[in-house]
Amino acid sequence: GNSVTQMEGPVTLSEEAFLTINCTYTATGYPSLFWYVQYPGEGLQLLLKATKADDKGSNKGFEATYRKETTSFHLEKGSVQVSDSAVYFCALTAMEYGNKLVFGAGTILRVKS
Amino acid sequence: KAGVTQTPRYLIKTRGQQVTLSCSPISGHRSVSWYQQTPGQGLQFLFEYFSETQRNKGNFPGRFSGRQFSNSRSEMNVSTLELGDSALYLCASSRSLAGVTDTQYFGPGTRLTVL
Repeated sequence: GNSVTQMEGPVTLSEEAFLTINCTYTATGYPSLFWYVQYPGEGLQLLLKATKADDKGSNKGFEATYRKETTSFHLEKGSVQVSDSAVYFCALTAMEYGNKLVFGAGTILRVKS
Repeated sequence: KAGVTQTPRYLIKTRGQQVTLSCSPISGHRSVSWYQQTPGQGLQFLFEYFSETQRNKGNFPGRFSGRQFSNSRSEMNVSTLELGDSALYLCASSRSLAGVTDTQYFGPGTRLTVL
């Protein structure tokens, strides 16, 4: 079945450091890929998405490229801020599974000033 | 446009009781999905409703049920609560266009504590 694997956290960075959170997936067919972010005490917010191979999703300085050859969708940001501290979830969905999202375990990001 | 709303935000129940959670989707969205989030199991899919019909179901016992109304609002019910049902329950809505996978937008969640 479909699955998503994320790098374990927590990831602790200083402000303005470069961020990478690794995400790989296993899926049949052609999934759509997503990154969601969860701030303390809140629900999930869509950060970015990509629906086909080589698509790059971007938002608020975050980027991720759909790499079908390596089945990856790594999240990157050039310069993190304290306000980026949150839990980041990689997820996929595929038409043959309807609207069901399959999530990774989540990666906690802590940014120090 | 208003986002997904969930009520109540917090609930405390005791074992054996039942609970009903409510979700109002984004206007124009016809699909509503429910997820359970726990520290041990992460985010798990419960079920999806579209046009008042359950379209997809996760691997949860029959104590977990849901329904959708004609205005797309949805409720989920958990009967005979167990301690392990303590979780954040998240609702997500999407337009669910035919033939495409669609982006889901989440509400703030209902935090259920079972004592």
